Amino acid sequence: DGGITQSPKYLFRKEGQNVTLSCEQNLNHDAMYWYRQDPGQGLRLIYYSQIVNDFQKGDIAEGYSVSREKKESFPLTVTSAQKNPTAFYLCASSIDHGGESPLHFGNGTRLTVT
Amino acid sequence: GQNIDQPTEMTATEGAIVQINCTYQTSGFNGLFWYQQHAGEAPTFLSYNVLDGLEEKGRFSSFLSRSKGYSYLLLKELQMKDSASYLCAAPDSNYQLIWGAGTKLIIKP
Repeated sequence: DGGITQSPKYLFRKEGQNVTLSCEQNLNHDAMYWYRQDPGQGLRLIYYSQIVNDFQKGDIAEGYSVSREKKESFPLTVTSAQKNPTAFYLCASSIDHGGESPLHFGNGTRLTVT
Repeated sequence: GQNIDQPTEMTATEGAIVQINCTYQTSGFNGLFWYQQHAGEAPTFLSYNVLDGLEEKGRFSSFLSRSKGYSYLLLKELQMKDSASYLCAAPDSNYQLIWGAGTKLIIKP
């Protein structure tokens, strides 16, 4: 079955360390996204990629970096520059970056930084 | 500015009907989505409306009024497994989704 896999489910890091969250999809989707979800707030877009080797900043890209070297993979690095990194991170993909295309989400990674 | 508003929490009884409202203000209009998210899990797609009116899909229906900037999700014959958060989202003119904070639906026996 096709889907999106995020790993790990839970991640703990010390302040000042960079950490990379994995996201892999086998849906053959062109577009991929990283969102952050905090209690009481809507999903906020960190980065998105419409095609391999291209990506765009979302609303809250500061302190994060991504790469899209393969169609299936869109890893997110949370750097030490991100001031409040503890959150639930969701990766998603869609057939294309168009208004009608629903998003397919991974099960998320809960990152805790202390 | 761009904004999506929905109630924070609602409570309903098993077997009953509940309506979750969503009002939106976006630059341009490219449809409106509803997603369901169980606690700690991935959001899953429920519906997409781009034309006015009611679209029915089993126990779940979604309504849209573009002139009023308003949508609702109607859940019938509520089951305990429907306890979840329901997220409303609309693409802006650049097709970036603007998300509501979600409505947590609590189902009581």
